Amino acid sequence: EVQLVESGGGLVQPGGSLRLSCAAAGFTFSSYSMNWVRQAPGKGLEWVSFLSDTSNGIYYADSVRGRFTISRDNAKNSLYLQMNSLRDEDTAVYYCARSLPVVGVYFEYWGQGTLVTVSS
Amino acid sequence: QLVLTQSPSASASLGASVKLTCTLSSGHSSYAIAWYQQQPEKGPRYLMKLNSDGSHTKGDGIPDRFSGSSSASERYLTISSLQSEDEADYYCQMWGTGTAIFGGGTKLTVL
Repeated sequence: EVQLVESGGGLVQPGGSLRLSCAAAGFTFSSYSMNWVRQAPGKGLEWVSFLSDTSNGIYYADSVRGRFTISRDNAKNSLYLQMNSLRDEDTAVYYCARSLPVVGVYFEYWGQGTLVTVSS
Repeated sequence: QLVLTQSPSASASLGASVKLTCTLSSGHSSYAIAWYQQQPEKGPRYLMKLNSDGSHTKGDGIPDRFSGSSSASERYLTISSLQSEDEADYYCQMWGTGTAIFGGGTKLTVL
């Protein structure tokens, strides 16, 4: 069974930093590209970032480019999101999602999410 | 510009069928999309990837009651024999060059 478990969320002041983690199990982590998707309270889904299986393909949403960094450790079956210069509008539940193994990026499996609150 | 348009809400009776629509922006009628379901207070769940020709690949454990179809720039999700647990938000999503776009979502109410 595929399992994705996010951690690292919490309350942070504007301008601060936070690092999210996603622990993967139940599949060969190193064979799949991974993503972060977020959802602000009461709002829809917003894709944040994509990372290929070997880390040679990386994409970011315009809203986070230059502030967030996605990375992975295939030996630890883990995905990360380093979030710097956080803004109020970054407040959201952040989901880790495994890509469907096809051309294009679609999100086949999701974690339960971790809440990030940016507030003074 | 990549845009996916969904009606904010839909409703249908228990046991009936409903067809949700996702409209792709001009010039993107050949693109595939994916459909997701998000039940209240839960994370999203992948339903299917839907191609422009109407062929689709469903996720693990998705009932046959869920099906997809396509016509030009429209992508549809049909749910038949509606059950109470189908009451949820439904999102479509596409992948462009280096970016993923979600529609605004449709809130489905089962009456």
